[in-house]
Amino acid sequence: GESVGLHLPTLSVQEGDNSIINCAYSNSASDYFIWYKQESGKGPQFIIDIRSNMDKRQGQRVTVLLNKTVKHLSLQIAATQPGDSAVYFCAENIQNTNAGKSTFGDGTTLTVKP
Amino acid sequence: IAGITQAPTSQILAAGRRMTLRCTQDMRHNAMYWYRQDLGLGLRLIHYSNTAGTTGKGEVPDGYSVSRANTDDFPLTLASAVPSQTSVYFCASSPSAPSSYEQYFGPGTRLTVT
Repeated sequence: GESVGLHLPTLSVQEGDNSIINCAYSNSASDYFIWYKQESGKGPQFIIDIRSNMDKRQGQRVTVLLNKTVKHLSLQIAATQPGDSAVYFCAENIQNTNAGKSTFGDGTTLTVKP
Repeated sequence: IAGITQAPTSQILAAGRRMTLRCTQDMRHNAMYWYRQDLGLGLRLIHYSNTAGTTGKGEVPDGYSVSRANTDDFPLTLASAVPSQTSVYFCASSPSAPSSYEQYFGPGTRLTVT
């Protein structure tokens, strides 16, 4: 069945360093992927997405890489800041199924040390 | 623009009682969702609605019911609460497929069933 998982439940980085958060998915039919950020006490917030016809997409300080061969995606955060401390979830979707249903992984907690 | 609002923010409920969690969005999104998030875990889909008048079951629907009488509101009802329903509940919405699958989340309702 569908499952989305993250390699590491926690990640600690120094302020100013780059962060890489990984996610593995098992459903080869998944063709749309989203990264969310959840700060303490808040709901998840969209960061960036990528569709399966791309292998890289860049946003402001964030880059998502998709490797369909090994069913892996990663979120790279450049020059990590204390405000980046949060739980990060990847979610997978299969387009042309029920609109917007996502399967979420368990999340990686990013801690930024000053 | 408020986005998605949820009420109440938190609630302590005696087992066996009935409870309705409210969710309202002002973005005119067609699709809406209810998730539960247990401590340290990811989001699990309870019920969803692709458009007003339709609903569907998610991964963990037992003990919960929903209705979608109009576009804006998507209440979640616990008919007879049990302690295992202690969780944080998030409501979310997304625009109609296939234009976008990102989901917009509310601030959550923290429910404790004693």
